[in-house]
Amino acid sequence: AQSVTQLDSQVPVFEEAPVELRCNYSSSVSVYLFWYVQYPNQGLQLLLKYLSGSTLVESINGFEAEFNKSQTSFHLRKPSVHISDTAEYFCAVSDQDQAGTALIFGKGTTLSVSS
Amino acid sequence: SAVISQKPSRDICQRGTSLTIQCQVDSQVTMMFWYRQQPGQSLTLIATANQGSEATYESGFVIDKFPISRPNLTFSTLTVSNMSPEDSSIYLCSVGDRRADTQYFGPGTRLTVL
Repeated sequence: AQSVTQLDSQVPVFEEAPVELRCNYSSSVSVYLFWYVQYPNQGLQLLLKYLSGSTLVESINGFEAEFNKSQTSFHLRKPSVHISDTAEYFCAVSDQDQAGTALIFGKGTTLSVSS
Repeated sequence: SAVISQKPSRDICQRGTSLTIQCQVDSQVTMMFWYRQQPGQSLTLIATANQGSEATYESGFVIDKFPISRPNLTFSTLTVSNMSPEDSSIYLCSVGDRRADTQYFGPGTRLTVL
């Protein structure tokens, strides 16, 4: 069975500092990987995804994540965070052979950016 | 990406009552799912809503407690039956399209049971 581990439940950082939110997964099959973001009192939004091809994927707001198959990781990074990046971040995985099927989520990481 | 709406956006209900949540999508989609997000927790899949047939439930969730309908490819309902305070959660529907390989979420329904 697939599972997702987000190693940090809370990550406090100062504005303009770099940040890395860690995600590891376990699966016996090939997977798709996703990061979703949930801003306070809002719904879940897709931040970025890895389906195939380049192992480095980027979002429009400066986040990037790198798929590392040997380490079964998909860590999310941003070189300089803003106050507005404060949110809950969820890593998720789905079975590549059954695209569009249900996601398995990690427990989430709360990113708190302060000035 | 699909535009997904849910109704109601939030509700406060009494113990023992039932609430039906609606999920509407602006395009036909193959897969629809219902998730639960308990306070301070991650998302847990309740069931896959199958068009024209009974929903497929995950371990720990049963049809009597969470009956689901999916009459067509753009609409589904989830009912939370005989509610207790432990059912207080955010309930989210999501849609998956094999062609898009991605899943999108509705805004959620925030349920509080007193």
